[in-house]
Amino acid sequence: TQLLEQSPQFLSIQEGENLTVYCNSSSVFSSLQWYRQEPGEGPVLLVTVVTGGEVKKLKRLTFQFGDARKDSSLHITAAQPGDTGLYLCAGHSGGSNYKLTFGKGTLLTVNP
Amino acid sequence: DTAVSQTPKYLVTQMGNDKSIKCEQNLGHDTMYWYKQDSKKFLKIMFSYNNKELIINETVPNRFSPKSPDKAHLNLHINSLELGDSAVYFCASSQVGAGSSGYTFGSGTRLTVV
Repeated sequence: TQLLEQSPQFLSIQEGENLTVYCNSSSVFSSLQWYRQEPGEGPVLLVTVVTGGEVKKLKRLTFQFGDARKDSSLHITAAQPGDTGLYLCAGHSGGSNYKLTFGKGTLLTVNP
Repeated sequence: DTAVSQTPKYLVTQMGNDKSIKCEQNLGHDTMYWYKQDSKKFLKIMFSYNNKELIINETVPNRFSPKSPDKAHLNLHINSLELGDSAVYFCASSQVGAGSSGYTFGSGTRLTVV
C-alpha cells in the first residue's frame, strides 16, 4: 500500500510569513498533485508535477517534485489569510491505475 | 454551471435507515469516484467507475452499493446505516486516469447518522 505522509499536520502563522509543507513517501509516483480544500467544499486541484526535480510556480506558491519522485514540497511566500485551508498532496502510480492516494493533509491558518 | 454536483449537501438520518447520495458531472469525463473523508480529514477512496464499469472497489462494507446508470452519473446507496458511517462523502470525476488531469470534486455530502 502506498502511503503519503504530510507534515506538519497543523500550521498557524501570521500574515506575511513564509511556510513550507512536505509530502513524503517510500514509494515512487509517476505524478503528484496538490489540492486545497476550504470548509464545506471539495478539494480543488492546484498543480500536478510529473518530472523528478520539477518546480512549478502558481503566484506565491512554489511546488517541487523530488528527484526520485517520492516526495514533494509546497512553499508559500508572504502568506495571506486567503491561503487558509487544508492542503492535500495526492500521488498517482501511473499506467492504467485510476486511483489517487491522498496524504492526510496540512491544515493551514493564516492570521491577519 | 456546476461541474460535479452532489445531492443532498446534508443528510441526517437514524441508524438502520437506507439512504442514497446522487452525483452528476457535466465535464464529459469518463471516470467517476466516491471518496469518504473522516473527521480527521483523511480522504479514502471507496469506488471508481470508468464508462459505467466498476474498476475500483476498496475494502468497503457491502452495505455500500454504487450505481452508474451512465458515465455522467454515479450514485451511492447505503443500507442499514451505522453510526460509523457518519462522514463527508465526496464524488469526483476525471478524464481517463487521474495522473495528469487530476480530479474535479463535488462539494460533498455531510452524512450524520444518529
